[in-house]
Amino acid sequence: AQKVTQAQTEISVVEKEDVTLDCVYETRDTTYYLFWYKQPPSGELVFLIRRNSFDEQNEISGRYSWNFQKSTSSFNFTITASQVVDSAVYFCALNDNTGGFKTIFGAGTRLFVKA
Amino acid sequence: DVKVTQSSRYLVKRTGEKVFLECVQDMDHENMFWYRQDPGLGLRLIYFSYDVKMKEKGDIPEGYSVSREKKERFSLILESASTNQTSMYLCASSLRDSSTDTQYFGPGTRLTVL
Repeated sequence: AQKVTQAQTEISVVEKEDVTLDCVYETRDTTYYLFWYKQPPSGELVFLIRRNSFDEQNEISGRYSWNFQKSTSSFNFTITASQVVDSAVYFCALNDNTGGFKTIFGAGTRLFVKA
Repeated sequence: DVKVTQSSRYLVKRTGEKVFLECVQDMDHENMFWYRQDPGLGLRLIYFSYDVKMKEKGDIPEGYSVSREKKERFSLILESASTNQTSMYLCASSLRDSSTDTQYFGPGTRLTVL
């Protein structure tokens, strides 16, 4: 069965700290896609990254980086030198062949970045 | 840029009322989705549609129905609103090319049922 676990409900950091948001997934398929979305206080989910199961290269985009490890079924997200504008709820999500059009979302991690 | 709009940001209704939530996307996407978001539960899929007049149940369709008469518009209907339907409702759209394609979300409608 598909499942996405974000064990951290809330994280609070001080500006300029690095922070890692954990995501663990379960799937029986060998082909699947993983996503991270950001939901700022305005409410609209914003797409951050999509990664397919055959590409285990880590990705860096500015202060954001993602660590995909199939061996541990994890797709963790790190923000380097966090800023107040990073305060948001972050969702990890999974879509595989089993789910068809369905994307399974984790419960989300609320990140507070204090000035 | 993909634009997904929802008819209301905030809505207050009474128990038993019929409620319509409208979603419009301007990118000619085939797929459209309705989710509800509740604290600690993430996003749960209510219904989705992969073409005009086509619809599929998601994980929590009870108490809801949908309508897709035009490609750009996907409506969620609460036939008789109940207090347990108080929630944030999010609409999304994506291309049909791949079922795993990125979804683009609207700003959400926060519905309160009294």
